[in-house]
Amino acid sequence: GAGVSQTPSNKVTEKGKYVELRCDPISGHTALYWYRQSLGQGPEFLIYFQGTGAADDSGLPNDRFFAVRPEGSVSTLKIQRTERGDSAVYLCASRRQGEAGELFFGEGSRLTVL
Amino acid sequence: AQRVTQPEKLLSVFKGAPVELKCNYSYSGSPELFWYVQYSRQRLQLLLRHISRESIKGFTADLNKGETSFHLKKPFAQEEDSAMYYCALSGVGGSNYKLTFGKGTLLTVNP
Repeated sequence: GAGVSQTPSNKVTEKGKYVELRCDPISGHTALYWYRQSLGQGPEFLIYFQGTGAADDSGLPNDRFFAVRPEGSVSTLKIQRTERGDSAVYLCASRRQGEAGELFFGEGSRLTVL
Repeated sequence: AQRVTQPEKLLSVFKGAPVELKCNYSYSGSPELFWYVQYSRQRLQLLLRHISRESIKGFTADLNKGETSFHLKKPFAQEEDSAMYYCALSGVGGSNYKLTFGKGTLLTVNP
């Protein structure tokens, strides 16, 4: 079947604007993760959903970042009042129930804030 | 807190030479350790995990709890092994399924 799908693949925006990034996980995967990867760094954990609820949102850097997964499938990462430091690749991954650590990643959404 | 350290940003070897990518971790509990790989223009994917104790593409990794290390090894590197390698750690159970990555090591295998 299809892998994890992320849209848009590239997003260029201006400082202060609002951005939404979408993730469509593998069908049947109950867990969904968002990571942020800056140049030269490893993926940095943002938030993890189990079903519809955020099981761990300790990685969200501040209250400008918010993520939802209302029906337990597609998730949207929302960034308000974007700043230049938000520029990064945002990765989404999904996992089967009970399969610790085997994450299936999307290709990422590259966000550039001018 | 969980932390993963990969001390080498870059590693360059010749084809046929042995390769070892280092990984050290910090975790107050019994973690699960993984190696992920990202080939050029491909998405990040799982290479191997310590609990399966298997060899994938000739790579092995042994969890050393005394040294808190999980180094990735291959006796004879191939050019197609050139990629970015990330060591990762997960807790176990419930909300502990957060996967923490190291900063990665870029492996280049020269002909």
